[in-house]
Amino acid sequence: DIVMTQSPNSLAVSLGERATIKCKSSQSVLYSPNNQTYLNWYQQKPGQPPKLLIYRAFTRESGVPARFSGSGSGTDFTLTISSLQAEDVAVYYCQQYYGIPPTFGGGTKVEIK
Amino acid sequence: EVQLVESGGGLVQPGGSLRLTCVVSGFPFSGYYMSWVRQTPEKGLEWVANIKPDGNEQKYVDSVKGRFTISRDNARSSIYLQMNSLRGEDTALYYCASGRWMWDNWGRGTLVTVSS
Repeated sequence: DIVMTQSPNSLAVSLGERATIKCKSSQSVLYSPNNQTYLNWYQQKPGQPPKLLIYRAFTRESGVPARFSGSGSGTDFTLTISSLQAEDVAVYYCQQYYGIPPTFGGGTKVEIK
Repeated sequence: EVQLVESGGGLVQPGGSLRLTCVVSGFPFSGYYMSWVRQTPEKGLEWVANIKPDGNEQKYVDSVKGRFTISRDNARSSIYLQMNSLRGEDTALYYCASGRWMWDNWGRGTLVTVSS
């Protein structure tokens, strides 16, 4: 199975500041025949199910604010929140589906400093 | 409004069985792959199984193969997870979610506890 490793486990950021979350896969999740990267990001707030934020590494799901962005390639990916808002307090997960079974990272908890 | 509502969780002894149900509304259910994903504090999020829109193909994570069966009833906009030979490590919050390998709509989950 492809192992997804996130860092840091948690971070505290001041309101309006940038939050950066890293995700590393144990092998490339780029599917060469269609040049698509099979890497998604989810946000999970306390007591709620996960919510799809970004799919195929870069594309924001409908309704997701523009302050959330995804970047990276191959095995190294980043979720950036450009200006942290109070409602962004949550745990963030990366997930790959290049390999079956699809697998998730362990999560990064984002809090307000 | 899209809604996925899971039910059927509870406390069961090791070796026992449970059947989870997820009823869906607000989107064209019969055209979508559907999945079960589970979550524990220790292991995090884990995909369990998915089923093709017509119900003719199912996929499972290795740890549940031969014990769990996913099925669907498109007339009732529902999916099911029959869980047999339950083990302690199956204890989790089980979510129903729309999608095959990525999931854009989720229920709130139903808790399964396997313990004597």
